[in-house]
Amino acid sequence: KAGVTQTPRYLIKTRGQQVTLSCSPISGHRSVSWYQQTPGQGLQFLFEYFSETQRNKGNFPGRFSGRQFSNSRSEMNVSTLELGDSALYLCASSLEWENTGELFFGEGSRLTVL
Amino acid sequence: GQNIDQPTEMTATEGAIVQINCTYQTSGFNGLFWYQQHAGEAPTFLSYNVLDGLEEKGRFSSFLSRSKGYSYLLLKELQMKDSASYLCAVRDYGQNFVFGPGTRLSVLP
Repeated sequence: KAGVTQTPRYLIKTRGQQVTLSCSPISGHRSVSWYQQTPGQGLQFLFEYFSETQRNKGNFPGRFSGRQFSNSRSEMNVSTLELGDSALYLCASSLEWENTGELFFGEGSRLTVL
Repeated sequence: GQNIDQPTEMTATEGAIVQINCTYQTSGFNGLFWYQQHAGEAPTFLSYNVLDGLEEKGRFSSFLSRSKGYSYLLLKELQMKDSASYLCAVRDYGQNFVFGPGTRLSVLP
């Protein structure tokens, strides 16, 4: 069973640009959530999608957005990049109501903003 | 508000036992999770507690007291490969996961 796949793994952008990150969840998982991880702040929740609907949103500015497709794949977009957006962006999927509903994480997309 | 506290760093010796504490204050409680994250890798699930008490899984055990907002992860017979960050996370009623800052554990020979 394939795990959570995130692309691209690494990318470098400059301030003001925008970026789109992709996440393919484990087959059968309908919940996909996104997190920003930085050394100082730890894992910060961005948003969560379930069946193409954004169900929860963290405390991030509107420059951060996302969507989920009918096949449960998800994308997140960051517009007008700032230096502080440099981070590891982690995607996680879950079965939610089965077993413990734990999160399964992808390897992450490491974004560097210059 | 949502707040989870863990020690920032801990050091222990190979073969020893270490306890990593986690205290939380969240809006609703629907389970407490521990994740392990090696440097440069994705977090991986270690344990889950939703009722008070101890859950044992091999060398790892996790304890929960809901009334105290407290959990700990106990690692026995430490091995060098246990050097990693350990993340405490609480799932609230909205199915949101709130993560603590993580505890970086260094296991020394």
